Amino acid sequence: DIQMTQSPSSLSASVGDRVTITCQASQDIHNYLNWYQQKPGKAPKVLIYDASNLETGVPSRFSGSGSGTDFTFTISSLQPEDIAIYYCQQYDNLSLTFGGGTKVEIK
Amino acid sequence: QVQLQESGPGLVKPSQTLSLTCTVSGGSISSGIYFWSWIRQPAGKGLQWIGRIYTSGSTNYNPSLKSRVTISVDTSKNQFSLKLTSVTAADTAVYYCASQSLGEGTLDYWGQGTLITVSS
Repeated sequence: DIQMTQSPSSLSASVGDRVTITCQASQDIHNYLNWYQQKPGKAPKVLIYDASNLETGVPSRFSGSGSGTDFTFTISSLQPEDIAIYYCQQYDNLSLTFGGGTKVEIK
Repeated sequence: QVQLQESGPGLVKPSQTLSLTCTVSGGSISSGIYFWSWIRQPAGKGLQWIGRIYTSGSTNYNPSLKSRVTISVDTSKNQFSLKLTSVTAADTAVYYCASQSLGEGTLDYWGQGTLITVSS
């Protein structure tokens, strides 16, 4: 099965900072990679699908890139409401796997 | 808009079977455009995919849980269900049901989650 390694596990940044999270797959997953935001006590919400496509209604400060095994998620200008845990998720024809998550906090 | 709601007992004894049901509203579970999935999250930890079912009854499971998991669907009730056997304290978690898009593989719609505690 495919393993997803996400880093860092947590980060602290100032409002307005650029924030970058990486996700590495244990094998080539093409662009079958999605990103989620989870706020406390809530279910995760899709932000990015197929590595780089912004879900409808999601602010443009969120973006994703990558293909194959290496992927990046970026918040171009961190806002207070972006405090959350972010997860990558791969999918293939048999399964789903999540990365371990990145907790984003305000400095 | 599709809505999902988990239901089941909040407390399960060790070695027993955990049973949960997810009721889908706002759309038909037989629509053919989603897989119907179960995901869990232990307190303070990450997300773990448990498995999924298609309207045909075809299933896929997480290899680490496969020997203990059964997912089934009842199209007449617009529900799908999870059974996890021989539970231990390590199975204590919030359990979510969700719909997975066939196209992008995204988990688009989620239930609110239900906390299942395994304890005697």
